Amino acid sequence: GQQVQQSPASLVLQEGENAELQCNFSSTATQLQWFYQSPGGSLVSLLSNPSGTKHTGRLTSTTVTKERRSSLHISSSQTTDSGTYLCAIPPSNTNKVVFGTGTRLQVLP
Amino acid sequence: ETAVFQTPNYHVTQVGNEVSFNCKQTLGHDTMYWYKQDSKKLLKIMFSYNNKQLIVNETVPRRFSPQSSDKAHLNLRIKSVEPEDSAVYLCASSLYWASQNTLYFGAGTRLSVL
Repeated sequence: GQQVQQSPASLVLQEGENAELQCNFSSTATQLQWFYQSPGGSLVSLLSNPSGTKHTGRLTSTTVTKERRSSLHISSSQTTDSGTYLCAIPPSNTNKVVFGTGTRLQVLP
Repeated sequence: ETAVFQTPNYHVTQVGNEVSFNCKQTLGHDTMYWYKQDSKKLLKIMFSYNNKQLIVNETVPRRFSPQSSDKAHLNLRIKSVEPEDSAVYLCASSLYWASQNTLYFGAGTRLSVL
């Protein structure tokens, strides 16, 4: 079945630095979604990016479908960006969603 | 903007008790899900419902059962909780039963089993 690996497992930055998060998956995917989970537990969708590059605010996601990888770039990080970032992929022809184990980001003031 | 509502936020109970978690979505979506998030933050799907029909039932213990009155509601009942059931349970919905649809999540219910 679909395997989703994320790296790094954890990342500590100073406020203002940029973050680069990686997501690698084992099987073809027609959809890929990045989520943010706050320290309090709420899970929110950041963006969906099955291929190409998408921007929203300080976030940029680039997915290279053929290479089965996606990245999430956070520019000018802020302390409020601290939390866990999850990559999620629904395998083709199903509505199951496989989540990666996430990257824990800590942004220090 | 919250559109998937879960209650309660937290629940503490003892081994053997029955618990029930509620979930409601106001997005008009056709499909709803329950996920379990373990201590390592790994999310695993437990159930999904499409128009009141169970579509996916992963190999979860039989003490777990989903309950749906209509497509906007999907509750989760645990008949006799075990210590390993301690986790965060997340409810989600999507527009259709299709791999391209975006998932919308509730805030989660954190269960602690003593």
